[in-house]
Amino acid sequence: TQLLEQSPQFLSIQEGENLTVYCNSSSVFSSLQWYRQEPGEGPVLLVTVVTGGEVKKLKRLTFQFGDARKDSSLHITAAQPGDTGLYLCAGADYGGSQGNLIFGKGTKLSVKP
Amino acid sequence: ETGVTQTPRHLVMGMTNKKSLKCEQHLGHNAMYWYKQSAKKPLELMFVYSLEERVENNSVPSRFSPECPNSSHLFLHLHTLQPEDSALYLCASSQDWGTSYEQYFGPGTRLTVT
Repeated sequence: TQLLEQSPQFLSIQEGENLTVYCNSSSVFSSLQWYRQEPGEGPVLLVTVVTGGEVKKLKRLTFQFGDARKDSSLHITAAQPGDTGLYLCAGADYGGSQGNLIFGKGTKLSVKP
Repeated sequence: ETGVTQTPRHLVMGMTNKKSLKCEQHLGHNAMYWYKQSAKKPLELMFVYSLEERVENNSVPSRFSPECPNSSHLFLHLHTLQPEDSALYLCASSQDWGTSYEQYFGPGTRLTVT
């Protein structure tokens, strides 16, 4: 069974701080997606990384896919209260059943003003 | 309406009730999904429909019964649920079935079984 472990589970920081959250697995994924979910809403896709070693930037957010395509990280620079939410990573089956994503449990981020 | 909508947003039901969750997507997508989101657990895929045909049923108890009458609508029929079925039920859609296609989620139905 493929599993994605996300760490930390909870993170509470002050506005302006930097942070990194991690998504790790012993399995290889063909691609990995990051979502943000705000309270009372569904997850919203932030980015998809496909190539081992790939780095993608989305304003203050930097996403990296590990060289072996087993792990990923999300770094936020100068966090703002609007970044508060549940960050989920989801890996695409590699050679498994068609079209399904494996989700981690998420990192719940709270950014205090 | 745009994107993926779900109704109702909140539902409280007794264990002997029968209710249905509705999902509608306005994106012209061919694949639709039901997920269950419980506290302290990863999102669990329940059902996948591609071009109105069920392509995935992840060992979901028969008290959950999906229906996809057309490519824009997806239902989840509920009957004789258990308290442990209380969760956020999310619907999603994608252009086609396959992990290279982005999934767009609805806001979810918060279900409480009493």
